Amino acid sequence: NAGVTQTPKFRVLKTGQSMTLLCAQDMNHEYMYWYRQDPGMGLRLIHYSVGEGTTAKGEVPDGYNVSRLKKQNFLLGLESAAPSQTSVYFCASSYSTGGYSPLHFGNGTRLTVT
Amino acid sequence: GQQVMQIPQYQHVQEGEDFTTYCNSSTTLSNIQWYKQRPGGHPVFLIQLVKSGEVKKQKRLTFQFGEAKKNSSLHITATQTTDVGTYFCAPYNQGGKLIFGQGTELSVKP
Repeated sequence: NAGVTQTPKFRVLKTGQSMTLLCAQDMNHEYMYWYRQDPGMGLRLIHYSVGEGTTAKGEVPDGYNVSRLKKQNFLLGLESAAPSQTSVYFCASSYSTGGYSPLHFGNGTRLTVT
Repeated sequence: GQQVMQIPQYQHVQEGEDFTTYCNSSTTLSNIQWYKQRPGGHPVFLIQLVKSGEVKKQKRLTFQFGEAKKNSSLHITATQTTDVGTYFCAPYNQGGKLIFGQGTELSVKP
């Protein structure tokens, strides 16, 4: 059982470039989340999904888009990367609403935008 | 929106000393989860608290949920080097979102 898998693990982008981060879970979880982590800021929720075909905004959604076309996958897109988006990105999933079941995290993607 | 303050931001202790981190909310919480993140790793679920005044223990770790359900704490007795990491509280938001506190980074000097 792989759990939550994120690809890629590392990426360097130039300002203005685009990219997609992929998150895949094999636990049949309904809920999926994208967080970013910056020093001293904790984990901030970017977008989340409560089921296949649905997405919703979190605390810091600007500059990001997401899609949940399949239940097991949750994609995070950056259309025009900015240095402020340099961060570590974590994907997570949970069986039911995040308040009542644990979040399972992937290993993270370290993104640098120059 | 819901705000949560976690203190302290950093804590340095000598191995064997106790450690406590506090999570305070401006609003009443439905429940709260706690996570640990080792350096270079990802957050890992520790526990969930739901009931007012609830106390749960995991070996040397004691978790408490305040009577008013506006605060929570994690206490580690006799810290070990394996306790090093950042501890996050994560109160549940009614909108289905889990919002994390800023975390308390614990370092343990052997």
